[in-house]
Amino acid sequence: GDSVTQMEGPVTLSEEAFLTINCTYTATGYPSLFWYVQYPGEGLQLLLKATKADDKGSNKGFEATYRKETTSFHLEKGSVQVSDSAVYFCALRARRQNFVFGPGTRLSVLP
Amino acid sequence: DSGVTQTPKHLITATGQRVTLRCSPRSGDLSVYWYQQSLDQGLQFLIQYYNGEERAKGNILERFSAQQFPDLHSELNLSSLELGDSALYFCASSVGIGDGRGETQYFGPGTRLLVL
Repeated sequence: GDSVTQMEGPVTLSEEAFLTINCTYTATGYPSLFWYVQYPGEGLQLLLKATKADDKGSNKGFEATYRKETTSFHLEKGSVQVSDSAVYFCALRARRQNFVFGPGTRLSVLP
Repeated sequence: DSGVTQTPKHLITATGQRVTLRCSPRSGDLSVYWYQQSLDQGLQFLIQYYNGEERAKGNILERFSAQQFPDLHSELNLSSLELGDSALYFCASSVGIGDGRGETQYFGPGTRLLVL
């Protein structure tokens, strides 16, 4: 079945460092890909998405590019802030299928 | 604020008991999804309702059931509770039936269930 693999956390960075969280997927067909973020004590929020190959999703300085050839959707941000500390979930959804989430990657940004 | 509301925020109960979690979707959304988030299993899809009808089933135990009412709010019923049912239960909603690949789900803040 469909699956999502994320780099295991926690990831600890200093403020203004460059962030990459790797995400790869296995799916039949051509799924849409998502990044959700969960701040402490809150539900998941959509961060960005891409619905077809080579699409780039971006929001709040984060971006990810749908790479069909490497089945990847890595999340990047050029300069992280303390307020970016959260758990980040990569997810996919194929047509007529349910969402499949990765295990989540906890990010801690230190001042 | 996603517009999805869940009550209660916290719930503490004993093994063998039954609880009901409630979810109100965003205005205009017809689909409601339930998820369980635990430390060892991650985020697991349980069940989806669309406009009052069950649409899809995931890893939902037989002890669990759900329904969606005419006003589109949904309830998740958990019975014969076990220690392992302690988790965060999230509700999400989306505007359509969920067939579209790009359709976004909006999550509520969750209900934290602790079974003692």
